[in-house]
Amino acid sequence: IAGITQAPTSQILAAGRRMTLRCTQDMRHNAMYWYRQDLGLGLRLIHYSNTAGTTGKGEVPDGYSVSRANTDDFPLTLASAVPSQTSVYFCASSDAGGASDEQFFGPGTRLTVL
Amino acid sequence: GDSVTQMEGPVTLSEEAFLTINCTYTATGYPSLFWYVQYPGEGLQLLLKATKADDKGSNKGFEATYRKETTSFHLEKGSVQVSDSAVYFCALRRGGTSYGKLTFGQGTILTVHP
Repeated sequence: IAGITQAPTSQILAAGRRMTLRCTQDMRHNAMYWYRQDLGLGLRLIHYSNTAGTTGKGEVPDGYSVSRANTDDFPLTLASAVPSQTSVYFCASSDAGGASDEQFFGPGTRLTVL
Repeated sequence: GDSVTQMEGPVTLSEEAFLTINCTYTATGYPSLFWYVQYPGEGLQLLLKATKADDKGSNKGFEATYRKETTSFHLEKGSVQVSDSAVYFCALRRGGTSYGKLTFGQGTILTVHP
């Protein structure tokens, strides 16, 4: 069982470039989330999806977009990267509304925007 | 809005020392409270949780008690090991919502020396 996979593991990107971070889960969880982790700030929610076909904005959505075409995949796109988007990005999923509300996290993508 | 505040880190301890990491929160209603742990190079994983006042969550020798009167959820362990070295995050999920959006604290780095 893979759980949640993220790709790429790390990336260095020139400012202004477009980038899509991939996230796939095999647990058939209905809810998925994208967080960014910055030193001293913990994890902050970027976007979330309660179920396939729906998405919502989190705490820091500006400059990011998501889509949820199916249950398993939840890609995060930076349309025009800026240096302030340098961060570690974590995808997570949960069986929200189910018996357990635990969130399961992927291994993260370390993104550097120059 | 909701917020979680953790004690300033990093925390450095010798093996077998007693650990306390303080966590206080601000939220409306009756949130569920969580501690997540992040080992080096990995994503976050759930350590323990409590869903109502006076509940005690416990796992792997760690404990935390949901104190509504002091809005706190401090993490404790009686005897830490080198393998406990990690980053610890306190988090809350607002009560009454159907889906699991989490608000995280800034994280506390714990280093345990032999």
